[in-house]
Amino acid sequence: AQKITQTQPGMFVQEKEAVTLDCTYDTSDQSYGLFWYKQPSSGEMIFLIYQGSYDEQNATEGRYSLNFQKARKSANLVISASQLGDSAMYFCAMRVHETSYDKVIFGPGTSLSVIP
Amino acid sequence: DAGITQSPRYKITETGRQVTLMCHQTWSHSYMFWYRQDLGHGLRLIYYSAAADITDKGEVPDGYVVSRSKTENFPLTLESATRSQTSVYFCASTFRDRDTGELFFGEGSRLTVL
Repeated sequence: AQKITQTQPGMFVQEKEAVTLDCTYDTSDQSYGLFWYKQPSSGEMIFLIYQGSYDEQNATEGRYSLNFQKARKSANLVISASQLGDSAMYFCAMRVHETSYDKVIFGPGTSLSVIP
Repeated sequence: DAGITQSPRYKITETGRQVTLMCHQTWSHSYMFWYRQDLGHGLRLIYYSAAADITDKGEVPDGYVVSRSKTENFPLTLESATRSQTSVYFCASTFRDRDTGELFFGEGSRLTVL
């Protein structure tokens, strides 16, 4: 069965430091996609980054990078130079094929707090 | 305006009543999804749809019904609301092509069942 695991319920990071949020996934599909979303206290879901399973290069978007280790089935999010505005919930998600169609499932999330 | 919209944004209802949450997108995305968000559980998939008239159950479908007669609309109905269905509900949509990436979210509908 497909599953996303985020083992860090809460994380703290000093402002301007880098932080890694862990995500492991389980799927038997050969072709899948991995996402990270940010949810600030205001509640909206903000797309951060996407990695396809066949992409050889790790995805990067500004201060966000996805450390994709296919053999270990991990897709960790790295945020460089943390800012106070990075304080939020972060969700890892996976798009997989289910019977005839795709579905997208999410992990339980990690709450990140950036300390001044 | 283009985008994905949910209505109502806030709803209070009573146990046993039927409630429908609406989701409308203007991009002609093939895929649409309904999630519920509860503390400690992240977003759990209720139902999803690959195209008009194609729907399937997600992780937590019990107590919910969906339909998709038109590509742009994906309503979620609670036929007889229960207190355990108090939650924030998110609708999302995306393209058929897996490698296009982003899942686009609505603003969420906060439902309280008394």
